Amino acid sequence: DVKVTQSSRYLVKRTGEKVFLECVQDMDHENMFWYRQDPGLGLRLIYFSYDVKMKEKGDIPEGYSVSREKKERFSLILESASTNQTSMYLCASSAPGTGFNSPLHFGNGTRLTVT
Amino acid sequence: AQSVAQPEDQVNVAEGNPLTVKCTYSVSGNPYLFWYVQYPNRGLQFLLKYITGDNLVKGSYGFEAEFNKSQTSFHLKKPSALVSDSALYFCAVRDAPQAGTALIFGKGTTLSVSS
Repeated sequence: DVKVTQSSRYLVKRTGEKVFLECVQDMDHENMFWYRQDPGLGLRLIYFSYDVKMKEKGDIPEGYSVSREKKERFSLILESASTNQTSMYLCASSAPGTGFNSPLHFGNGTRLTVT
Repeated sequence: AQSVAQPEDQVNVAEGNPLTVKCTYSVSGNPYLFWYVQYPNRGLQFLLKYITGDNLVKGSYGFEAEFNKSQTSFHLKKPSALVSDSALYFCAVRDAPQAGTALIFGKGTTLSVSS
């Protein structure tokens, strides 16, 4: 089974801190994604990557950046955390395939609180 | 631009009754459609997908979904609900011809099955 591991389940940070959320997958997937989940808003795509060192902006990239130095690892970076970035962050990966039609495999999420 | 709508925030059914969770979508080309389920404090799990072919798609845990192109819908169904089906359900869509785009998720529908 595919395993997507997010390094922290719960995280509490202060406003202005630089925050790193780490995600590792063990199935050699090329595609990796970061979403945030908020009640009433569902999942919103922040960034995704379909290859090492490649990245694409999603719907809400402002205030975030990403890093993909190795195929198995996709990091989400909050350059200067703000309270409106308090959320559940979900990482996902998918197998290579034509047209992104492979199912996403999700990690269990990181619940980030910015105070 | 692609979009997906789940018109019901919550669906309540009694155990043993059939259930339907609604989803409508908007894309410029042919859609790739997905359903995911999220159990409490867990990441999302893939249920089923429609890419092409038979309009009725069968998935995990006895769920199925029907693709209706004229109504731009992809409703999730199950003939007989179980209490253990209670969870948060997400519909997702991708516009097939658009290379490099990722899945867009609906806001989610909470399914509550009472015993």
